[in-house]
Amino acid sequence: EAGVVQSPRYKIIEKKQPVAFWCNPISGHNTLYWYRQNLGQGPELLIRYENEEAVDDSQLPKDRFSAERLKGVDSTLKIQPAELGDSAVYLCASSLRGLAWETQYFGPGTRLLVL
Amino acid sequence: AQKVTQAQTEISVVEKEDVTLDCVYETRDTTYYLFWYKQPPSGELVFLIRRNSFDEQNEISGRYSWNFQKSTSSFNFTITASQVVDSAVYFCALTRVSGGFQKLVFGTGTRLLVSP
Repeated sequence: EAGVVQSPRYKIIEKKQPVAFWCNPISGHNTLYWYRQNLGQGPELLIRYENEEAVDDSQLPKDRFSAERLKGVDSTLKIQPAELGDSAVYLCASSLRGLAWETQYFGPGTRLLVL
Repeated sequence: AQKVTQAQTEISVVEKEDVTLDCVYETRDTTYYLFWYKQPPSGELVFLIRRNSFDEQNEISGRYSWNFQKSTSSFNFTITASQVVDSAVYFCALTRVSGGFQKLVFGTGTRLLVSP
């Protein structure tokens, strides 16, 4: 069974440029998560999707970040315009139904560097 | 509010030594779940174990063991006879059962370096 797929693995951009990250969750997983992991920190949830619906986006900086999960499968996270402080690893995860006891499966992440 | 504290930023051991990674959590909920994840250099977080708040039995899986103590709000992780392949960052995480949906709160992680 294929795991969570993310692309690109690495991205270097200049500040004020836009950037997008793509995630394909494990087949059949209804719940998809985007996390941001700053250097030396644990992942922090940005947004959670149940199928196509964003059910928890309270931590997403909505002035510059946007996300979508069309058709309830793969998802795209966008930053426009990027700032220096956005440099981090962006992790995508998925779980079957998003219930408390379920395991979240993580992708390898996209490492973003904003210059 | 939920909080997970991993006070050990980095631990260095020599292969075959035993090592314990500490995890202390805070929550007002009576029902919650605790997790340990491993993050190797490749970047993805790998699930190791899940424990619910009503199950205080310790667990052993090969060289790994976990000690859950509600009285001290701790969920410590021990690796016996460590190996170089155990080198990674280990995260402890907590989730409340809020409307049945999961919201993981991670600690800051402990980097384990195992040298040959």
